[in-house]
Amino acid sequence: DTAVSQTPKYLVTQMGNDKSIKCEQNLGHDTMYWYKQDSKKFLKIMFSYNNKELIINETVPNRFSPKSPDKAHLNLHINSLELGDSAVYFCASSQGGTGPEQFFGPGTRLTVL
Amino acid sequence: GENVEQHPSTLSVQEGDSAVIKCTYSDSASNYFPWYKQELGKRPQLIIDIRSNVGEKKDQRIAVTLNKTAKHFSLHITETQPEDSAVYFCAASTWVGGGADGLTFGKGTHLIIQP
Repeated sequence: DTAVSQTPKYLVTQMGNDKSIKCEQNLGHDTMYWYKQDSKKFLKIMFSYNNKELIINETVPNRFSPKSPDKAHLNLHINSLELGDSAVYFCASSQGGTGPEQFFGPGTRLTVL
Repeated sequence: GENVEQHPSTLSVQEGDSAVIKCTYSDSASNYFPWYKQELGKRPQLIIDIRSNVGEKKDQRIAVTLNKTAKHFSLHITETQPEDSAVYFCAASTWVGGGADGLTFGKGTHLIIQP
């Protein structure tokens, strides 16, 4: 009965590759997010998305793109991976219309070699 | 954009004592202030939050206070226990209902409970 889930949990890949991380929520929420946590544990918003708008943090390279096949899923695609992309990526969701509380997935640890 | 400062970066307290973590924010439009607890290798977990129309909120041993005029908010943990050891993050956002505003986080406080 996991509320927000992500796959894979760990992802190790070579520089220059393209990879995707999947996120699913079964909370019936209408808004989903991607956050990046770097090696210093700093959490930073990358994208916010609902059926009305996509908000992109201006510091996120355009190699990163969110794709939402439906309200319960928000996947993260990363092209031409770089060493600096190594981090833990967290998906989160909220019922944006009625409440701001955000609930996080377990995270995906991405290592770029 | 919003900027959230959090202090201290590390806090060590004796078991049973109280712990206080403080945050300041820059955007006066921010109206939602959650606190997250993150244990090693785990996801951030929402432990308490406060909205700008409230000055204080309490949940058992945890309380949060908000001073909108000074743009700061604090987390108070009383009667600390070993399981309180973790990294705590404050955050701020502007929630307008139906929007998709992400959270701006502070840099975290590593709370260590000494036995």
